[in-house]
Amino acid sequence: DAKTTQPPSMDCAEGRAANLPCNHSTISGNEYVYWYRQIHSQGPQYIIHGLKNNETNEMASLIITEDRKSSTLILPHATLRDTAVYYCIVRFNAGNNRKLIWGLGTSLAVNP
Amino acid sequence: KAGVTQTPRYLIKTRGQQVTLSCSPISGHRSVSWYQQTPGQGLQFLFEYFSETQRNKGNFPGRFSGRQFSNSRSEMNVSTLELGDSALYLCASGTSGNEQYFGPGTRLTVT
Repeated sequence: DAKTTQPPSMDCAEGRAANLPCNHSTISGNEYVYWYRQIHSQGPQYIIHGLKNNETNEMASLIITEDRKSSTLILPHATLRDTAVYYCIVRFNAGNNRKLIWGLGTSLAVNP
Repeated sequence: KAGVTQTPRYLIKTRGQQVTLSCSPISGHRSVSWYQQTPGQGLQFLFEYFSETQRNKGNFPGRFSGRQFSNSRSEMNVSTLELGDSALYLCASGTSGNEQYFGPGTRLTVT
């Protein structure tokens, strides 16, 4: 199963872009990259996912390198409410076997 | 559309007891997954159910079991509780596709 590596913590100034990196060098061709975040004491919240093309939605943008060994989640204008733990995970998919392998994530602190 | 609900939200049990946690998925979602979250280990996958069948399982002992009903509601059971089972138990529902939607979790404390 592909694993991910993320920095344990990051800081970002309010209003600036937050760029959260993720390494997934062992990802295989049919595995997607997912991003979730977890605000203290709540369940994780889905943010975005992608296979090989860059993706954007109302919450964030996902940039995946051409070799797919790493990706970056971009929060374009971070707010205090974006303070959370961000998880980059890879979906292992083999027939009906499907599970998400979670790391420890990046704790993002957005500062005023 | 209502989100994923989990009951109870908080639970205190003693070692050796058993516990049953409940999860109601988002209407129309047939997949339910369970995770254990502890500070040192992060989120660890327990099992996934789809249309009443367990289709994937993590590396947990047999004391952890689950089931899914015809209305897609799911329960997980932990027997012979140990202190190390204290954790936040999260349930997530989804379609057969990609993203999962998590509930608020059940905080289990074993004393």
